[in-house]
Amino acid sequence: DAKTTQPTSMDCAEGRAANLPCNHSTISGNEYVYWYRQIHSQGPQYIIHGLKNNETNEMASLIITEDRKSSTLILPHATLRDTAVYYCIVRVANNAGNMLTFGGGTRLMVKP
Amino acid sequence: DSGVTQTPKHLITATGQRVTLRCSPRSGDLSVYWYQQSLDQGLQFLIQYYNGEERAKGNILERFSAQQFPDLHSELNLSSLELGDSALYFCASSLTGTGLGYTFGSGTRLTVV
Repeated sequence: DAKTTQPTSMDCAEGRAANLPCNHSTISGNEYVYWYRQIHSQGPQYIIHGLKNNETNEMASLIITEDRKSSTLILPHATLRDTAVYYCIVRVANNAGNMLTFGGGTRLMVKP
Repeated sequence: DSGVTQTPKHLITATGQRVTLRCSPRSGDLSVYWYQQSLDQGLQFLIQYYNGEERAKGNILERFSAQQFPDLHSELNLSSLELGDSALYFCASSLTGTGLGYTFGSGTRLTVV
């Protein structure tokens, strides 16, 4: 699985958009970008994933650059409940290993 | 409620003891994954089962073992416990072995004293 690089921490004002970047310059053509988040001491929660097209769901939007070497997770109107560690994971969807490998993630602090 | 049930939620035990953590996957999911998260540390993959068979192994100590039963629930057995085994233990499940759409349980917090 490709390695990802994320900032260690970020702050965001409540009600504003939170833009969380992720670099994955060694991504392969068949690797997807997944985003999960972990609110303090809870189990990680799936947010969104994509291959090359931008994706949007009820939680967030995922913007993947044309060369697929980086992506941005966007929380359009961050709330205090969005304070969490956000993990960007790049992996092949159907690889035999199957497990998710979590890096350090970005600790997002949403402030009032 | 994610649909993945882990019991117990909290466990306090002494060094040298043995404990069993239980995980019931989301209905219909065939794969179960175990992760360990020590204080302020990342999530470390331990082991995966798919439809009753071991599929992948990560950084799991020899003192730890797991199994998945015919009804697809899984148990993680931790023996000869040490202080350093204190951690949150998460179970996740997915429908296939591909890892799409992992669903995590709320975890078991193990404290070894």
